Amino acid sequence: QKEVEQNSGPLSVPEGAIASLNCTYSDRGSQSFFWYRQYSGKSPELIMSIYSNGDKEDGRFTAQLNKASQYVSLLIRDSQPSDSATYLCAVKGNSNSGYALNFGKGTSLLVTP
Amino acid sequence: ETGVTQTPRHLVMGMTNKKSLKCEQHLGHNAMYWYKQSAKKPLELMFVYNFKEQTENNSVPSRFSPECPNSSHLFLHLHTLQPEDSALYLCASSPNSYEQYFGPGTRLTVT
Repeated sequence: QKEVEQNSGPLSVPEGAIASLNCTYSDRGSQSFFWYRQYSGKSPELIMSIYSNGDKEDGRFTAQLNKASQYVSLLIRDSQPSDSATYLCAVKGNSNSGYALNFGKGTSLLVTP
Repeated sequence: ETGVTQTPRHLVMGMTNKKSLKCEQHLGHNAMYWYKQSAKKPLELMFVYNFKEQTENNSVPSRFSPECPNSSHLFLHLHTLQPEDSALYLCASSPNSYEQYFGPGTRLTVT
C-alpha cells in the first residue's frame, strides 16, 4: 500500500505569516511530487510540482523535497485569507508505476485576517 | 472553451436509474482520468485512459462503466448505484504521466 500522509489540520496562521504544510510518503521509489489547492466545493488546482531534492520557488510558494527522509513540504509566504483552502499532496512512483497519483487526505489551511 | 469541462455539475439519481457523466478536455492531452472524492477520504483513482486505451482500472465495481471514444472525451456510465456511491466525481487530463489537471467535478447524490 503506497501511502501519502498529511496532517488534516486545520492549520491556522495569521495574515502575512508563513504557512508550512507537510507531507510524508511511504514509497521510497517515488519520483514526482505535486501540491494541489482545493477550495471548498471546487476541484483541485495544481500549484506546484517538484522532482529533485531541494527547494523550488514560484512566487509566494516554495516546495521542498527530501527523498532520503521521504518528506515534501509546501511553504506559503505572506499568507493571505484567499489562501484558505485544503492543500493536497500527491505522489507518483517511478516511470514503471503507470499514470496513478497517490493523494493524501489534505491539510486544511485557514488564514485569519 | 478551454481546460477540462464536466457535465452535469450536479446529479441526483435513484438506485435503479442509468445516467452518464461526461468529460471533455480542450488541452490536447493524451491521458484522461476518473477520480472519486468522498468526504474524509483521499482522492481515489478509478480509471485511466491513455490515447483512448484503458491503462488502469482500480478494482472499480462494474456498476461504473467508462468509455473513451477519443483523446478529448471521457464518459462514466452509471447504473444501479448505491447510496455510498454519492460523492464528487472528478475528471482529469494530463499531457504525460505527471501533472494532472482537473475539471470542476460532478456532485452525485444517489437516493
